Parts: sequence; structure tokens; C-alpha cells
Amino acid sequence: DAGVTQSPTHLIKTRGQHVTLRCSPISGHKSVSWYQQVLGQGPQFIFQYYEKEERGRGNFPDRFSARQFPNYSSELNVNALLLGDSALYLCASRQAGGYNEQFFGPGTRLTVL
Amino acid sequence: GQQVMQIPQYQHVQEGEDFTTYCNSSTTLSNIQWYKQRPGGHPVFLIQLVKSGEVKKQKRLTFQFGEAKKNSSLHITATQTTDVGTYFCAGPNNAGNMLTFGGGTRLMVKP
Repeated sequence: DAGVTQSPTHLIKTRGQHVTLRCSPISGHKSVSWYQQVLGQGPQFIFQYYEKEERGRGNFPDRFSARQFPNYSSELNVNALLLGDSALYLCASRQAGGYNEQFFGPGTRLTVL
Repeated sequence: GQQVMQIPQYQHVQEGEDFTTYCNSSTTLSNIQWYKQRPGGHPVFLIQLVKSGEVKKQKRLTFQFGEAKKNSSLHITATQTTDVGTYFCAGPNNAGNMLTFGGGTRLMVKP
């Protein structure tokens, strides 16, 4: 079985632009979570989606939004990019809601210039 | 809000030496999870502890959950170069809809 996949792998944007990151969970997994990981720090929780509904939201501004599609894939959108948004964006999937074992994708490295 | 802290931030050891990282939460946790992230990689789930005082072993790795369910530790016996990476602990909030990671402990092993 394929693991969690994310696209694109790398992305370079300029300040003020918008970005969309994509995630496909492991087949059969209905929950997707998004994390931001700044270099040298632990992942910071952004969103959790389960059965296409937002179930949790971290301390991020409204410029960050996400959605989950009927096939359980997910998109993370970030508007009005700031230099501080440069980070590795990780998607993780699990079978159900709540917090049991989750599987991370390889991440999208976003650089904002 | 909930905070999860880990010490030390970095640890250099000689191959064969033992290693321990400690994790402390500002709130009582329903469970705690441990992840390993190799350089340039993504976090990989290692284990979840649920019960107060629980101890679990995976080969040379020993994980412990404190009696008060606010702290945890990971001990590696006789480190190997394959143990290199950053070890993170993570715990859910009371509502169970948000997972907070610690800052991680970066382990470097000299052959």
C-alpha cells in the first residue's frame, strides 16, 4: 500500500502570494491533520479533518484554511504569504478521529522570498 | 494553552553509550506518543503510551509514562549510528482534537 503522499515536494513563493498544498492519505484512512514544522522545531498543529469536517484547529491566523474532499484527500491553503510562513508542511493520516497512531507524509518544503 | 517541553535539546553520545530524553506536559495527558525524525525526513510513529506508569520496550528502546500522566521518557540502551535523529513526544489536548509536539531532542552518535 502507498503511504501518505504530498504535493508539491518543494515550492518557492514571494510575499503576498497564495499557496495550495495537497495531501492524499493512506487508503482507508479518513482523518487528515496538517502541521507546520519550522527548521529546528517540533511540528505545530494546524488542522485536523475527519469525515470531511474540521475537528481541530491550532493557533494559526485565518490566512490558513483547509478542506477535505469526499475521497478523504485534503488541501491546505495559505493566503497573503509572509516570510515567516517558510517551513516544512506535513500532512498526517490516521484511520479514525481522535489521536492514535498517525502516519506522516514526506512534507512540502515552502520557501517564501 | 497546553505546552509540551523536552530536554535536552541536543545530545552527543559515543556509539554504545546510553541516551535518555525527557518530556513534560503542562497538563495531564490521556496518552503520549513518541516519534523519530531522521535528518531530512518526516516524523515516524514509534509508540503510544496510555496507562499511568506504563513501561513499553522496543528492542533497545524503553518508553515510560509517568504516574501523574504529565511526563514521559525514552531511553535507548547502547546507541548505534542508526539511532541518529530527532525524537519528539506529543500529547493530545483535553478535547482530543489537537496534538501538541515537544521541541524534540536531537541525538547525534559518534562511531
